[in-house]
This record gives sequence, structure tokens and C-alpha cells, in this order.
Amino acid sequence: DVKVTQSSRYLVKRTGEKVFLECVQDMDHENMFWYRQDPGLGLRLIYFSYDVKMKEKGDIPEGYSVSREKKERFSLILESASTNQTSMYLCASSLVREYSPLHFGNGTRLTVT
Amino acid sequence: AQKITQTQPGMFVQEKEAVTLDCTYDTSDQSYGLFWYKQPSSGEMIFLIYQGSYDEQNATEGRYSLNFQKARKSANLVISASQLGDSAMYFCAMTREVGGSEKLVFGKGTKLTVNP
Repeated sequence: DVKVTQSSRYLVKRTGEKVFLECVQDMDHENMFWYRQDPGLGLRLIYFSYDVKMKEKGDIPEGYSVSREKKERFSLILESASTNQTSMYLCASSLVREYSPLHFGNGTRLTVT
Repeated sequence: AQKITQTQPGMFVQEKEAVTLDCTYDTSDQSYGLFWYKQPSSGEMIFLIYQGSYDEQNATEGRYSLNFQKARKSANLVISASQLGDSAMYFCAMTREVGGSEKLVFGKGTKLTVNP
């Protein structure tokens, strides 16, 4: 089975802090994604990566950056956390194959105070 | 732009009965994929079932089946013989092309509660 592991289940950070959310997958998937999930808004794509050092913006990239130095690891960075970034963050990976399903991690619930 | 609509914020079903969760979509693409995911209270998104737009037969995976009606642009999830463990959020999603790569766009979800 595909395993996507997010380093933290819960995080509490202060406004203005730099925050790193880490995600590791063990199935050699080319694609990796960061989504944000908010009540009533569903899942929204922040960034994705289709290869090492490659990244593309999703629907809501403002206030976020990403890093993919190794194929198995995809990091989401909040340069200066704000309260409106309080949310559930979900990492996912998939193969580069048409209609390959996404495999998700357990999520990180981030609270910015 | 692709859009997924799930009109049922919440659904209730008795244990062992079947339930249908609605999903309609909007796209101008000729080729696309449709997915259903389950999210229990633990938070993990679990892939359930997939249907390709050119597949002539409805997809089935165990107790899950996808009622695909292309002309109506609907892709409803049918869960047969509901179990208490089926209580969760359910999300419908479809593929979209962005910058030459394939992404998923999600609906807002339906919360299913299975009553004993």
C-alpha cells in the first residue's frame, strides 16, 4: 500500500512564524500535492510538483511556498504565518499516469494564533 | 472551468440499507476522470472508486458502485448494505488539465451518517 506520511498531526504556531509542513511518500510517485481543506470550501490546491525541484502554483498559492529536493519529500512553507492560514493541510501523491488516483496523508491541522 | 457540485450537505441511512450520494459535474473536456473519496473523522482521505469518461460500464468496487450518466453529467456514488463504519464525509472529484499536468478538483462533500 502507498504510504503518505505528514510529519505532524497537529501544530500550533504564532502569527509571523515561519512554518514547515513536511510530507514523505514511499511509492516512488512523481506527482505530489498540497491541498488545504476548510469547512464549506472543500479541498483547494495550493501547490503541486511533478518532479524533483519542479513546482507549479495551484488555486491558492498566496502566502505559501514549496520545496522538493528529493522525489519522496514535498514541503509546504508558510513564510510568515497568519491567522487566516489556520486550516487542515493535506498532502497527496500520485503516479504520472492518466487518471491515477491521489493517495493522501492523514493531514496536519494547523492553528495560527 | 471544471466544477463539481454535491447538493447534499448531509445524508442519513439505516444500517444495511443502500444509499446514493449525488455528484454532478461541469466540464468542456472530452476526456476526464471521476473519483470518489471517503474522509472519516480521523482526517485521512481514502480513495474509493474511479470512472473514466470513456468507460461504458459503471465502475464497481466491492460495496461501492458509481452510477455514471454522461449525458446528465452525473456520477453518483451508491453504497450498498451500509455499515456503521461508512459514516464519514464523502467527496466527489474530477480531473482537470492545468499547465499540461493533471489535477483534481473536489466538491464540497456530503456527510453520511449510518444509524444502527
